Amino acid sequence: IAGITQAPTSQILAAGRRMTLRCTQDMRHNAMYWYRQDLGLGLRLIHYSNTAGTTGKGEVPDGYSVSRANTDDFPLTLASAVPSQTSVYFCASSRTGDVTGELFFGEGSRLTVL
Amino acid sequence: GQNIDQPTEMTATEGAIVQINCTYQTSGFNGLFWYQQHAGEAPTFLSYNVLDGLEEKGRFSSFLSRSKGYSYLLLKELQMKDSASYLCASMDSNYQLIWGAGTKLIIKP
Repeated sequence: IAGITQAPTSQILAAGRRMTLRCTQDMRHNAMYWYRQDLGLGLRLIHYSNTAGTTGKGEVPDGYSVSRANTDDFPLTLASAVPSQTSVYFCASSRTGDVTGELFFGEGSRLTVL
Repeated sequence: GQNIDQPTEMTATEGAIVQINCTYQTSGFNGLFWYQQHAGEAPTFLSYNVLDGLEEKGRFSSFLSRSKGYSYLLLKELQMKDSASYLCASMDSNYQLIWGAGTKLIIKP
């Protein structure tokens, strides 16, 4: 049982470079999310998708874009990375109609922008 | 504004009981969540409360008071593996989660 798979697990890149973080789930969950986690701060929502073909902006969307071509994949792209985007990024999913709204997280992608 | 407050760090002894508090202020309320996150790992779901009262699940219990905007997570019979960060999150009227910064729990033998 894979759940949610993120890649890469860790990456160092130069400022100004383009980067795509991949996220794939095999649970057939309709809703997917991208969060960033920074020391001393709570998880912050970047973008989300309630179902394939739709996306929405979260709390901190600037500098990031997403796409949801199918149910399983939800890549996050940094068009031109900046040092403030150094963070740990978590992809998550949830079952539509689940009253608890439980999130299932991937293992995270640690990104360092120099 | 929306805000979640929880202590930054707590220390407890193996075998003891610890209570981690969380206060929240969100635009509307659709439930209070607790997640556990071991260092370097993903958060995992612990509990969900939407009604006032105590929900018990094994060694872990979660309490909610909607009128006070307050919740706590109670961990009994602490084990070394309980050393982790505990994240409190409130779901607002738009069904978006507002997260606290987490409480790092250190268990000592």
